[in-house]
Amino acid sequence: SQQGEEDPQALSIQEGENATMNCSYKTSINNLQWYRQNSGRGLVHLILIRSNEREKHSGRLRVTLDTSKKSSSLLITASRAADTASYFCAYDRDDKIIFGKGTRLHILP
Amino acid sequence: DSGVTQTPKHLITATGQRVTLRCSPRSGDLSVYWYQQSLDQGLQFLIQYYNGEERAKGNILERFSAQQFPDLHSELNLSSLELGDSALYFCASSSGGGKGKLFFGSGTQLSVL
Repeated sequence: SQQGEEDPQALSIQEGENATMNCSYKTSINNLQWYRQNSGRGLVHLILIRSNEREKHSGRLRVTLDTSKKSSSLLITASRAADTASYFCAYDRDDKIIFGKGTRLHILP
Repeated sequence: DSGVTQTPKHLITATGQRVTLRCSPRSGDLSVYWYQQSLDQGLQFLIQYYNGEERAKGNILERFSAQQFPDLHSELNLSSLELGDSALYFCASSSGGGKGKLFFGSGTQLSVL
């Protein structure tokens, strides 16, 4: 398959807790991106990390990249109800941007 | 609002028919990507155009074709439709080709009955 793999497929946590999602891919990359999709809507870009970076922060988001293991993680701290969505990693390969199948995150009140 | 416009938002048609989905990229963006999203397959890359030329092709069926016009809008043509083609089709645009941040449209929900 050309897709990346996110883990877990689904995650439910209490509001205020941290959520961690993982992504694995199969080829060398130039960068890796994370996107959010609210139910049935278009994807929204969250953060991009380049292959020569190991960690990047944006607000409550923290992304790590381990190119030796071909994996990335997305940490959302102090989760809120509005964070309920699907999260996808995406990586570039041969002018394609390939998406994983996503992690469905549900924040419980 | 991402600045990417897709029409129509919903499309209901019958098996064997042909439909055209349209995408207008963000102003200034030269690249257009098409993706198919279904429940069991996630987001599948179909094809990418850059400034009117096909740049990369993914798992696009032979019954599907696309093009990008001189004004940079793009159309995805789906023919001989089958039940399994029912899905959400997204267009996305970026300023560069194949490496940058994508801006997604709101999608076209295709239902083949």
